[in-house]
Amino acid sequence: SQQGEEDPQALSIQEGENATMNCSYKTSINNLQWYRQNSGRGLVHLILIRSNEREKHSGRLRVTLDTSKKSSSLLITASRAADTASYFCATVNYGGATNKLIFGTGTLLAVQP
Amino acid sequence: KAGVTQTPRYLIKTRGQQVTLSCSPISGHRSVSWYQQTPGQGLQFLFEYFSETQRNKGNFPGRFSGRQFSNSRSEMNVSTLELGDSALYLCASSLGPTNTEAFFGQGTRLTVV
Repeated sequence: SQQGEEDPQALSIQEGENATMNCSYKTSINNLQWYRQNSGRGLVHLILIRSNEREKHSGRLRVTLDTSKKSSSLLITASRAADTASYFCATVNYGGATNKLIFGTGTLLAVQP
Repeated sequence: KAGVTQTPRYLIKTRGQQVTLSCSPISGHRSVSWYQQTPGQGLQFLFEYFSETQRNKGNFPGRFSGRQFSNSRSEMNVSTLELGDSALYLCASSLGPTNTEAFFGQGTRLTVV
């Protein structure tokens, strides 16, 4: 399967704590994107990091990318109950003109108030 | 700016029937992709269209087909429905031909009985 792997599968933390999710993928990439999904609804785009970037920030989100290890991590700081959702990483493979996304298996984050 | 619109939101069909799902991308976006989400297989890529041309197709049987119109709106069709086709079908639109963020609609929940 081309699908990437995410770790952990599920994470439960208290409000105010930080949450870290990891993603590993299998091939060379153009970019890697992180998405949030609430209760089986649509995916919300969080952040895109390109293959030549190592770190990116957006509000309380910090994403790192290590292309040598084919891995990425998403850090959510000072988490809130509203951050409770499933988080997915997705890659656009290198080569060719495409926006095709290969998704990871997802991490289910529960933030307890 | 309006987001990605998918219709209908919910659909119940009988085995053997066919179904057509519709997706209107964000205004100005020319790239549309479709994904199937199930508890067992996760998020799987179906098709990608850019300027009315199918650029990529996922590993799905020929019963799954799609098209894109000149106004970038897209439809996907599933013929001879099977119980296993029950899923959340998600449409994503992107501005450019490659390496750009994908924005998702709320999805169409298809149940085959």
